[in-house]
Amino acid sequence: DTEVTQTPKHLVMGMTNKKSLKCEQHMGHRAMYWYKQKAKKPPELMFVYSYEKLSINESVPSRFSPECPNSSLLNLHLHALQPEDSALYLCASSQIGNQPQHFGDGTRLSIL
Amino acid sequence: AQSVSQHNHHVILSEAASLELGCNYSYGGTVNLFWYVQYPGQHLQLLLKYFSGDPLVKGIKGFEAEFIKSKFSFNLRKPSVQWSDTAEYFCAVSRTYNTDKLIFGTGTRLQVFP
Repeated sequence: DTEVTQTPKHLVMGMTNKKSLKCEQHMGHRAMYWYKQKAKKPPELMFVYSYEKLSINESVPSRFSPECPNSSLLNLHLHALQPEDSALYLCASSQIGNQPQHFGDGTRLSIL
Repeated sequence: AQSVSQHNHHVILSEAASLELGCNYSYGGTVNLFWYVQYPGQHLQLLLKYFSGDPLVKGIKGFEAEFIKSKFSFNLRKPSVQWSDTAEYFCAVSRTYNTDKLIFGTGTRLQVFP
């Protein structure tokens, strides 16, 4: 089992809905990440938080809004998504510096 | 810009066969290198990593990888695969001292038949 917990595991939403994805870790990691993974493709980095501050935004559309309320939690707020946003959304965490990332199971998102 | 190439998109092997998956990266500076595995329906798991030192790195489940700097390569090997090794394998690279930006290769799907 992974030590990075993501909820929900599956989410189906309409293009006008507002929903949030949640990620939690209790490993004391101070860096947290959101990735998007389309079918049969590698994960693509979306956002990085270091010490609860947004440090990297890979030119992600504003309909995706990340939030890091504390060092253990990472949210991804979704609004007015498009069908092409359907994907597996992965959360990861790591220690700051030269350390590997630990991944959650992901949230499989479907936009109707 | 950094990039990672995995030339083997789909590999099919019988149990006990030897495995080598290719990974080449493009980056002029020093890098950290990783292999992750994604079993069907499961999360990405770290198989092994290279930061510095001995270029031959041993990981979990009998996997190893060799960093060849002159060839910009970090190939994954296992002498004898098992059915349970069936999974998607991703090579990834980040700049040294900046593991935030992890760039993944396109992945290799490994199928092992009994």
